[in-house]
Amino acid sequence: SQQGEEDPQALSIQEGENATMNCSYKTSINNLQWYRQNSGRGLVHLILIRSNEREKHSGRLRVTLDTSKKSSSLLITASRAADTASYFCATDAETSGSRLTFGEGTQLTVNP
Amino acid sequence: GAVVSQHPSRVICKSGTSVKIECRSLDFQATTMFWYRQFPKKSLMLMATSNEGSKATYEQGVEKDKFLINHASLTLSTLTVTSAHPEDSSFYICSAKPLPTSGTYNEQFFGPGTRLTVL
Repeated sequence: SQQGEEDPQALSIQEGENATMNCSYKTSINNLQWYRQNSGRGLVHLILIRSNEREKHSGRLRVTLDTSKKSSSLLITASRAADTASYFCATDAETSGSRLTFGEGTQLTVNP
Repeated sequence: GAVVSQHPSRVICKSGTSVKIECRSLDFQATTMFWYRQFPKKSLMLMATSNEGSKATYEQGVEKDKFLINHASLTLSTLTVTSAHPEDSSFYICSAKPLPTSGTYNEQFFGPGTRLTVL
């Protein structure tokens, strides 16, 4: 079963606005990763945050991790139409043996 | 760097035939590769973990005789869908985990996926 749950399931915003997506999980993790997927394509690795980290930045991306609440958020600032895609969180649980468990994903639409 | 390829990108076959999908890590070695299945507008479901030189580990509910996995080298894993049926139609994605080095934390790199349609 999928460990991760993401909300919202779908998000539609205007270009220039910020987009925030959330991910919750159930078990203890080694790290949490965010991926992006354009329709019908493979996944692109965006950012990995370790369990002992609370925040990480990469360009217009900001990821937070709250292990006490077992949740993470992905913020995309100054969004662009090209950011339109599905975004997935994936957890590497302590007992998973490197297997990733993916959330259900958030479909982000950025309107020009 | 860290490019993973899949071949073919799209395949249409008749019911009852077998289809082989290749996953290659192009610029790194991977002792472990993973195979996922994704239905339209759904998340990725892990099917199996493929380890070079050993038998694959299948997730619960995945038929190992139906989905044959071979990981013969550090850069190649194959998934063969045997006696394919229409319900096997799906998007199959592989990922590869580089050999562990200092500073890596289980990043996985994904292939572009293979769209299988069984008629």
